[in-house]
Amino acid sequence: QVQLVESGGGLVKPGGSLRLSCAASGFTFSEYYMNWIRQAPGRGLEWIAHISSSGFIISYADSVRGRFTISRDNARNSLHLQMDSLRAEDTAVYYCVKDIEQLVVSAMDVWGQGTTVAVSS
Amino acid sequence: SFELTQPPSVSVAPGQTARIPCSGDALPKRYFNWYQQKPGQAPLLLIYKDNERPSGIPERFSGSSSGATVTLTISGVQAEDEADYFCQSPHNSATSWVFGGGTKLTVL
Repeated sequence: QVQLVESGGGLVKPGGSLRLSCAASGFTFSEYYMNWIRQAPGRGLEWIAHISSSGFIISYADSVRGRFTISRDNARNSLHLQMDSLRAEDTAVYYCVKDIEQLVVSAMDVWGQGTTVAVSS
Repeated sequence: SFELTQPPSVSVAPGQTARIPCSGDALPKRYFNWYQQKPGQAPLLLIYKDNERPSGIPERFSGSSSGATVTLTISGVQAEDEADYFCQSPHNSATSWVFGGGTKLTVL
């Protein structure tokens, strides 16, 4: 069964840091682009970063570029998001998400259950 | 910047057809995906690359495009279809993604 399980969320003060992790199982992790997508309370979906299957191609949304770092460990089937200089507007549920097609970007077919990040003093 | 616009809400009676539009710039050059999200759940991919359905998605969900608007059509709407629906498209040669603001479908 294809599964993504996020961890690492929590309450952090503005300016602080958090590292999110995602454990993947049930598919060949090293063959798929992976994404982080977030959803602020009562709001829509916001794509924030993706990383290619090899890890060599990385893109970020303007809202997080320079503060967040996406990475992956294909040997351990894990995806990570290092979040620094956190702001109140980063408060959201963060989803780890898999692309549907191997080796290319197309659509997002498997989502984790999400982990909640709250930034508040 | 590239934006996708959806109506905040659409209402339909059970058994009828719901159409949820999504509009944006340069639509004919892009492809679209559609997601369904029920309260407290992660989104579910319904349609990708304009009109492809992932395994397990019922045939009553379909996607189409006409001019500057793409549309998610739900035929024979059921009470369980009440949810938020989001369109999505790649941007900047697929180096980023944009989501529409979402449409809440109410089944009367």
